[in-house]
Amino acid sequence: KNEVEQSPQNLTAQEGEFITINCSYSVGISALHWLQQHPGGGIVSLFMLSSGKKKHGRLIATINIQEKHSSLHITASHPRDSAVYICAVRSSLGSGDKLTFGTGTRLAVRP
Amino acid sequence: ETGVTQTPRHLVMGMTNKKSLKCEQHLGHNAMYWYKQSAKKPLELMFVYSLEERVENNSVPSRFSPECPNSSHLFLHLHTLQPEDSALYLCASSQGLGLQGSQFFGPGTRLTVL
Repeated sequence: KNEVEQSPQNLTAQEGEFITINCSYSVGISALHWLQQHPGGGIVSLFMLSSGKKKHGRLIATINIQEKHSSLHITASHPRDSAVYICAVRSSLGSGDKLTFGTGTRLAVRP
Repeated sequence: ETGVTQTPRHLVMGMTNKKSLKCEQHLGHNAMYWYKQSAKKPLELMFVYSLEERVENNSVPSRFSPECPNSSHLFLHLHTLQPEDSALYLCASSQGLGLQGSQFFGPGTRLTVL
């Protein structure tokens, strides 16, 4: 079992729909990242959060530290949102920080 | 554009070939990373360089050899690879390691080993 689990693995939505992607983790963390990977492979960092909620445009990320759970929401989804969304958690080790990645959620938004 | 470039974008090589992947960052960062992304698996961290010194090597086979000649450039030298090494290889950079170092990723090199 991965330390970082994402659900769903695949998601198809109609343009305009509200989308939620979930991330659960089993280790203590100092921060959680949401990343977006486009079909060409490039990865963009969307959010880094350690508590509460952050919003950027149509994207909202929330985290519940007690429940070890984070969600990424997309409002008014658009075909250009089609990508793989990756959750990554940062945890502290004796020798430094470690980033552990989920397997990603593949989102397809149809016009 | 994230400020991190990788070349080539696609590479097909035989098991006896030697090739190199190149990464360049234009962000003034002092840490660089190599990741491997295989189909349906999480990103795997391979190497970390900080201030041009290797600070992490995650049990990567010796057929992968990194080189960091300066803080802006990172190479991954490949030799006698196996078909299971076919994957997307991603480079990233950050200013500092740890929490303050949000990583910026390059577009990746899609490697196919025949």
